[in-house]
Amino acid sequence: GAVVSQHPSRVICKSGTSVKIECRSLDFQATTMFWYRQFPKQSLMLMATSNEGSKATYEQGVEKDKFLINHASLTLSTLTVTSAHPEDSSFYICSARTVEGGAANEKLFFGSGTQLSVL
Amino acid sequence: GNSVTQMEGPVTLSEEAFLTINCTYTATGYPSLFWYVQYPGEGLQLLLKATKADDKGSNKGFEATYRKETTSFHLEKGSVQVSDSAVYFCALGSNTGNQFYFGTGTSLTVIP
Repeated sequence: GAVVSQHPSRVICKSGTSVKIECRSLDFQATTMFWYRQFPKQSLMLMATSNEGSKATYEQGVEKDKFLINHASLTLSTLTVTSAHPEDSSFYICSARTVEGGAANEKLFFGSGTQLSVL
Repeated sequence: GNSVTQMEGPVTLSEEAFLTINCTYTATGYPSLFWYVQYPGEGLQLLLKATKADDKGSNKGFEATYRKETTSFHLEKGSVQVSDSAVYFCALGSNTGNQFYFGTGTSLTVIP
């Protein structure tokens, strides 16, 4: 089946540094990718929707200058947490949408997530 | 390794019908199991969860029981409503909570 690879699975960084998280669709083309974050004991929260070749659409309350999203190809989207601070420590997960075969066949595949810890 | 297999959709039901969406998993250790729901135009929301074998998660009339012997976590609701139309995702959380594994989602449409 379709696979979404998310890397790294865990990262620890110092406050003030930037961290890049990659999300790749390995065997399908993803016109749309979504980025979520999850705080402990809470549900996933949609951060942004990213369409290949265009600017990401951010959800209300999500700082676009802090969470840079690049979707340069149909198989790769990256999330960069710039100047990370301890409050950015969270679990980040991506998902990729494919509509191969038509809208009725829309499917969503998830990466396995990235645990970010900012010291 | 860890993985989740979920019943493929789409599923179309009449209002007040009984719903079952099958979900089975493979896992090392003792993961937590979740059902997430995505309503049209919105992000994922946690619907219910179970953290150990024989636990039953329930919310909004939906239920799922963590069955270790059958490695299943099927979602059920006795009487669906039009407002239940959404995409439902079964998910497995690793022991450490650092990784999630999702099913591919099942689209449910409830017609009046």
